[in-house]
Amino acid sequence: SAVISQKPSRDICQRGTSLTIQCQVDSQVTMMFWYRQQPGQSLTLIATANQGSEATYESGFVIDKFPISRPNLTFSTLTVSNMSPEDSSIYLCSVGDRGHYNEQFFGPGTRLTVL
Amino acid sequence: GEDVEQSLFLSVREGDSSVINCTYTDSSSTYLYWYKQEPGAGLQLLTYIFSNMDMKQDQRLTVLLNKKDKHLSLRIADTQTGDSAIYFCAAPYNQGGKLIFGQGTELSVKP
Repeated sequence: SAVISQKPSRDICQRGTSLTIQCQVDSQVTMMFWYRQQPGQSLTLIATANQGSEATYESGFVIDKFPISRPNLTFSTLTVSNMSPEDSSIYLCSVGDRGHYNEQFFGPGTRLTVL
Repeated sequence: GEDVEQSLFLSVREGDSSVINCTYTDSSSTYLYWYKQEPGAGLQLLTYIFSNMDMKQDQRLTVLLNKKDKHLSLRIADTQTGDSAIYFCAAPYNQGGKLIFGQGTELSVKP
């Protein structure tokens, strides 16, 4: 399985600011995804990060609020823009490879608190 | 679209078996997955089952799949306090390798 790291592991931010979360994988992967896990909730897919093109967003998520970059097959960033307390969540990066069992492997997550 | 449902809590005594249940709606799902999330940690892939299988065993873990009823279960034999965590079942939906997750079952193991 791939080894996935995320930076920062946690942060406390002020309302109205933006935070960029980095996801680094130790091998090239086909698919990268960003999820949100609100307190006490399950995971919700924000978007699929596409290498070399714009991310594909799920219903309820927009690029202006959650811009995503994926410059290569091992790295992606998610920015949470103009934050409000409702954005306080754990943000998780995951990777998958269609060549295997379509399973996804997750990073450790970034715990974000917005005051 | 796909929907995945789980019960929210399960409490067992150490040494007993735990059974965590999950239902899903999309019968075309090819693989189904179980993930474990320990407090303050990310998700760890525990096991998966292919849709043409009824059962898969991996050490203390047994996955049962009833395709007719769209019911998936995870049995943990000889449950230990270290098994205390939240367990998520997940199924693929649409194209592109995306997953939809159940609400998660919080397993509490009492000594």
